[in-house]
Amino acid sequence: SQQGEEDPQALSIQEGENATMNCSYKTSINNLQWYRQNSGRGLVHLILIRSNEREKHSGRLRVTLDTSKKSSSLLITASRAADTASYFCATDIAGNKLTFGGGTRVLVKP
Amino acid sequence: GAVVSQHPSRVICKSGTSVKIECRSLDFQATTMFWYRQFPKKSLMLMATSNEGSKATYEQGVEKDKFLINHASLTLSTLTVTSAHPEDSSFYICSARDLARGTGVSPLHFGNGTRLTVT
Repeated sequence: SQQGEEDPQALSIQEGENATMNCSYKTSINNLQWYRQNSGRGLVHLILIRSNEREKHSGRLRVTLDTSKKSSSLLITASRAADTASYFCATDIAGNKLTFGGGTRVLVKP
Repeated sequence: GAVVSQHPSRVICKSGTSVKIECRSLDFQATTMFWYRQFPKKSLMLMATSNEGSKATYEQGVEKDKFLINHASLTLSTLTVTSAHPEDSSFYICSARDLARGTGVSPLHFGNGTRLTVT
């Protein structure tokens, strides 16, 4: 069964707006990672946040982690049309394999 | 950066035939590679963990005789879909970690996936 559940499943915004998506998981984790997937392609790693971290930034990306609520959020600021993609959270439980959430499909309209 | 090459990107085969998909780490070594399957607009489901020099570890519900995995070197893992049927049509993606960066807190590097269509 999937470890992570993402919300919303789909998101449509205008260029320049911020996009926020959430990920909830069920068991304790070592770290949580966010990936991006363009249609029909592989996944690209965006950011990794460890279980003892609460917030992390990378360019226009901001990730938060609340281990007490077993949830994480990904914020994309000042979105661009090129940000259109599916975004997945993935949890690392035992330091080896990742379990992916259902993903959020983001459409950024120019 | 670390690059994973997956080949072929698309394959169409007839029902009953076998298809081999290759996954290569181009500029790093990987004792472990992961094979995922993805249905349209769905998440990635881990099928198996490919271990260099030993047997693959399959996830529950994945038929090991159906999906043969071979990890003969530190840079190559192959997935063979044997006696393919239309229900095996899917998007298969491999991934690997850079061995030099350890396993605990390093990201996965993904291939671009293989779209398999079984007619």
